[in-house]
Amino acid sequence: SQQGEEDPQALSIQEGENATMNCSYKTSINNLQWYRQNSGRGLVHLILIRSNEREKHSGRLRVTLDTSKKSSSLLITASRAADTASYFCAKHNNNDMRFGAGTRLTVKP
Amino acid sequence: SQTIHQWPATLVQPVGSPLSLECTVEGTSNPNLYWYRQAAGRGLQLLFYSVGIGQISSEVPQNLSASRPQDRQFILSSKKLLLSDSGFYLCAWRPLTDTQYFGPGTRLTVL
Repeated sequence: SQQGEEDPQALSIQEGENATMNCSYKTSINNLQWYRQNSGRGLVHLILIRSNEREKHSGRLRVTLDTSKKSSSLLITASRAADTASYFCAKHNNNDMRFGAGTRLTVKP
Repeated sequence: SQTIHQWPATLVQPVGSPLSLECTVEGTSNPNLYWYRQAAGRGLQLLFYSVGIGQISSEVPQNLSASRPQDRQFILSSKKLLLSDSGFYLCAWRPLTDTQYFGPGTRLTVL
């Protein structure tokens, strides 16, 4: 079964606005990762947050992790049209990684 | 630096035909290797992973199989393709860190 379910499924915002995507999971994790996928391409790693961390930043990205709620969020600040892509969270446990269905983000110029 | 290759980039095959997709990694040794399938507009489904030569773990029972004949080579195969095998197949590798690095993918259409 899929682990790491994102919501919303789709998000459309104006350039300059912030975008928040959420991810929930069901079992324990070593870490949770966020990836980005442009249409028809492979996935690109964005950020990793370990199970003992609560928040991480990378440029315009901010990720939070709440292990008590088994949820994570990805915030993209000051969005740009180039941020348009699908974003996936992945639960990492030992040797495997489980991806959710993703959030399709559209940033309108 | 490490790179990951997949071929072919696109493939159109008739139902019942065999399949062989190849993935190779350069610039590293003994990586963990993964095969995922992504249906149109959907997330990734883990199909197989391998922690070493000849070591394959299957996640989903189906008519696909995987092999790792060499340290940096991972092959996805089928003897007889089904319509439901259509999708975007992604190979990934993981070094000692926890991040996965993905190949460019193979778009498979079964007609």
